[in-house]
Amino acid sequence: DAKTTQPTSMDCAEGRAANLPCNHSTISGNEYVYWYRQIHSQGPQYIIHGLKNNETNEMASLIITEDRKSSTLILPHATLRDTAVYYCIVRDYNAGNNRKLIWGLGTSLAVNP
Amino acid sequence: DGGITQSPKYLFRKEGQNVTLSCEQNLNHDAMYWYRQDPGQGLRLIYYSQIVNDFQKGDIAEGYSVSREKKESFPLTVTSAQKNPTAFYLCASSPPGQGGEKLFFGSGTQLSVL
Repeated sequence: DAKTTQPTSMDCAEGRAANLPCNHSTISGNEYVYWYRQIHSQGPQYIIHGLKNNETNEMASLIITEDRKSSTLILPHATLRDTAVYYCIVRDYNAGNNRKLIWGLGTSLAVNP
Repeated sequence: DGGITQSPKYLFRKEGQNVTLSCEQNLNHDAMYWYRQDPGQGLRLIYYSQIVNDFQKGDIAEGYSVSREKKESFPLTVTSAQKNPTAFYLCASSPPGQGGEKLFFGSGTQLSVL
């Protein structure tokens, strides 16, 4: 699975949109982009995933560039409870490949009042 | 509510002691995983199991053992051979099917050495 690059930390004001970038320049055609987040001392939580098209769910939006070499996770109205470490991961959409995931250090997002 | 339950939340190990971390899921997932998380490092895979009575070593299996006698349960034993066991341990599961499924995590167990 391809490796990703994320900024170490970011700040966001409460109520504003948080835009978290991820670079995955070596992504291959059958690899999806997944985002998880981990609140301190808890297990990671799935947020969203996508292949080519932009995706939106109740938690966030995922914007993937046309060349698929980078993506942005958008939290439209960040709250204090969104303070967490956000992980961007790419993986092959084949069964049994969760064991091959490479978890980096993610982006530590601080939402400030 | 469906989910993954890890226990205990905090665990202390004495020198030379084996300890077992519990992981139970009621999501009817086939695959289960154990990860270790150290400060300043990403999650690292210890063991995984794709089906009952079968499990495979991950990237850092030395000093650990697992069993998968039931679909719902995937306990992890940290043996005395693991010389640096202090870490946050996470259990996860994923459903069967077409692949690419998301991981569901438990709330973790913090293991410390006395």
